Amino acid sequence: GNSVTQMEGPVTLSEEAFLTINCTYTATGYPSLFWYVQYPGEGLQLLLKATKADDKGSNKGFEATYRKETTSFHLEKGSVQVSDSAVYFCALGNNRLAFGKGNQVVVIP
Amino acid sequence: EAGVAQSPRYKIIEKRQSVAFWCNPISGHATLYWYQQILGQGPKLLIQFQNNGVVDDSQLPKDRFSAERLKGVDSTLKIQPAKLEDSAVYLCASSLVPSVPHEQYFGPGTRLTVT
Repeated sequence: GNSVTQMEGPVTLSEEAFLTINCTYTATGYPSLFWYVQYPGEGLQLLLKATKADDKGSNKGFEATYRKETTSFHLEKGSVQVSDSAVYFCALGNNRLAFGKGNQVVVIP
Repeated sequence: EAGVAQSPRYKIIEKRQSVAFWCNPISGHATLYWYQQILGQGPKLLIQFQNNGVVDDSQLPKDRFSAERLKGVDSTLKIQPAKLEDSAVYLCASSLVPSVPHEQYFGPGTRLTVT
């Protein structure tokens, strides 16, 4: 079945630093890939998506590329802000979504 | 546009008691989902409705969990009897087009603590 693995542990970094959150997946067929974000006290929101290999999803300065050869969908942002502090979830699927465990990102001023 | 509404936001019960959660999806959204999110894990789909019919309940523990969506709008998720391992956040989501799963809009969740 489909599954997603995210890097372990929270991520703490300073404002304007470069952010990378790793996501690898195991899948049958050709699922779509997503990053969801959960800001403190709010519900999950779709951040970006990619529906096929080599697609790049982007939104709010975040990017992720669907890499079939490495089965990865790493999330990156060149210069983070305090407002980017949140929990980030990688997910995949076409009908039923499978989520990773999430990574808490804390950006320090 | 109003978002997905859920109530209550928090609930504390003792094991073996019953509990029910309510969800009101975005107006016009035909598809409704219930997820369970245990602390430190990602959400896991429990059940998916299309209008008032069940599309996928393969991961719903049917011996204790039940859900309904009468009239194809609001939905209720029930646990009877609750176990300690049911402590989690229960998320409701809705979408307009069921074939585009990522277009799901999530509610704030109900945090259940079973003691």
